Amino acid sequence: AQSVAQPEDQVNVAEGNPLTVKCTYSVSGNPYLFWYVQYPNRGLQFLLKYITGDNLVKGSYGFEAEFNKSQTSFHLKKPSALVSDSALYFCAVRDYQAGTALIFGKGTTLSVSS
Amino acid sequence: DAGVIQSPRHEVTEMGQEVTLRCKPISGHNSLFWYRQTMMRGLELLIYFNNNVPIDDSGMPEDRFSAKMPNASFSTLKIQPSEPRDSAVYFCASRDTGEGGIQYFGAGTRLSVL
Repeated sequence: AQSVAQPEDQVNVAEGNPLTVKCTYSVSGNPYLFWYVQYPNRGLQFLLKYITGDNLVKGSYGFEAEFNKSQTSFHLKKPSALVSDSALYFCAVRDYQAGTALIFGKGTTLSVSS
Repeated sequence: DAGVIQSPRHEVTEMGQEVTLRCKPISGHNSLFWYRQTMMRGLELLIYFNNNVPIDDSGMPEDRFSAKMPNASFSTLKIQPSEPRDSAVYFCASRDTGEGGIQYFGAGTRLSVL
């Protein structure tokens, strides 16, 4: 069975500081990993994905994520946070087999203060 | 492309009434997903289709819920009869056919059952 854990309900950072939102996963085969962001009263927007290749993946709005197979983690990072980054962030995983659905973590609320 | 289109955006109904949520996926996408989001349970996968065929409906809460995809451009999620605990935001998503395809989400339908 696939599962995703986001251990922090909320992450608070000051504008300009680096941010990290944590994610660990469990799948039976090779994982496809994703990060999405949700702003209030909106649908989920794709940020970035890891399929294969380089462990460091770069995505939209200056975000990046690092795939660590030994720790089964895929943490989201940004070198310098903006107030506008404040939102709900979801990590998701699916098995590499075609046709499977994304399974999402419970989400982490990122709050960036000015 | 206009993205994934869901209707209605908001639905308020009384307990016992039938509710039908609609989704138009992105043209060319061959997988479609229905999710439900609540504060308590987060984002739950209800059912998904590949090539208009239901693949996994294990997330459908009970027999009151049903979903159909009569063609590649339209899907419905029906609740009959509705109950207050069905109140949630329901999202539809579709995915392209590429390896590690990205799921694109609609804006959601906010359902309130009184």
